[in-house]
Amino acid sequence: DQQVKQNSPSLSVQEGRISILNCDYTNSMFDYFLWYKKYPAEGPTFLISISSIKDKNEDGRFTVFLNKSAKHLSLHIVPSQPGDSAVYFCAPNSGNTPLVFGKGTRLSVIA
Amino acid sequence: DAGVTQSPTHLIKTRGQQVTLRCSPKSGHDTVSWYQQALGQGPQFIFQYYEEEERQRGNFPDRFSGHQFPNYSSELNVNALLLGDSALYLCASSLMQGGNQPQHFGDGTRLSIL
Repeated sequence: DQQVKQNSPSLSVQEGRISILNCDYTNSMFDYFLWYKKYPAEGPTFLISISSIKDKNEDGRFTVFLNKSAKHLSLHIVPSQPGDSAVYFCAPNSGNTPLVFGKGTRLSVIA
Repeated sequence: DAGVTQSPTHLIKTRGQQVTLRCSPKSGHDTVSWYQQALGQGPQFIFQYYEEEERQRGNFPDRFSGHQFPNYSSELNVNALLLGDSALYLCASSLMQGGNQPQHFGDGTRLSIL
């Protein structure tokens, strides 16, 4: 059973528009939620995180929203740029437990 | 500031062989975790090493073993290779007492089993 689900395998967005990537989880013990970005032939790169005591965290063009009651988080990228084209992984954990990754969403930003 | 480095970049083996993958953590990090990423999947946790001991382990058979050295670098060993072991193997480092700090990943070793 998947503890972390990213139900959209792919997403295409026009340059300058908003990209919204979604993630659902089942384990209520998760208290730290990370997003990683992965380009081909490279390892995952940390993008942004949010603690369970918050419902929003913003860093430049990237904002992550957390809805604990719905066990749902989303990553907003605005404005989207062609360089944002990559696979995005949602990866929650709790304390020093291992990261649990979703299957990822492939974002394509079209110029 | 060197990040996480992994070697080799690519490796081709045949069924039944054994393989060793290597990882040097980011400077200042003391904990190394290994993940397996199969095609079309997210990375799956194999195990974590801290203070030269395996601290946590995922759902992987005993054919997967590891080691951490006093300089915090780590090896992943896989015995009796199966076709299904073909994957990207990722190493991530972190600081055990770092609180909620993200793990940093290397670029991985692509292992192909023929």
